[in-house]
Amino acid sequence: NAGVTQTPKFQVLKTGQSMTLQCAQDMNHNSMYWYRQDPGMGLRLIYYSASEGTTDKGEVPNGYNVSRLNKREFSLRLESAAPSQTSVYFCASRRESTYNEQFFGPGTRLTVL
Amino acid sequence: AQTVTQSQPEMSVQEAETVTLSCTYDTSESDYYLFWYKQPPSRQMILVIRQEAYKQQNATENRFSVNFQKAAKSFSLKISDSQLGDAAMYFCAYRAQGGSEKLVFGKGTKLTVNP
Repeated sequence: NAGVTQTPKFQVLKTGQSMTLQCAQDMNHNSMYWYRQDPGMGLRLIYYSASEGTTDKGEVPNGYNVSRLNKREFSLRLESAAPSQTSVYFCASRRESTYNEQFFGPGTRLTVL
Repeated sequence: AQTVTQSQPEMSVQEAETVTLSCTYDTSESDYYLFWYKQPPSRQMILVIRQEAYKQQNATENRFSVNFQKAAKSFSLKISDSQLGDAAMYFCAYRAQGGSEKLVFGKGTKLTVNP
């Protein structure tokens, strides 16, 4: 099993450009999450999806949109990138168990110039 | 809103020694879960250990153990027999029961292991 995969690993954008970050999991998890990590900060939730076809805003949703394409895939889109969106982006999926642990992808380092 | 505080931005330990990383949190919930994640230079977030709030017994995973003090809202991580591979950022995280099941993270502690 690959677990949670993310593409691309690195990306540089110019202000105003758009792009989509891709995430997929092969663990048959229902819930998936997008977080961002900024220097000196812990991870903050952008959006999450409790199941296929549903999405909800997290703590910092402004400037982002998401799509839960199917049970495996959850994408994050930046319609008009801004320098404030320079960050490392993590996708995670949640195992349904007593602890409901979240498993993370390797992250995408995004720089917006 | 729940918050998680890690008061030690950086810590260092000698190889084979023991180190304790601190974490406190603020919540009005009685049922919740706590986690420690390790983030090495590869950036991968790795789950180290987890604790249920209603379990009095402290969790242990090999060389990693926690000291969970519910009344004090404290959840410290002890690493015994430190190894060079333990060098990483360590994040404490809180999850409430139900709802989005989102994780609330502290800002992290950078652990250096000296040979």
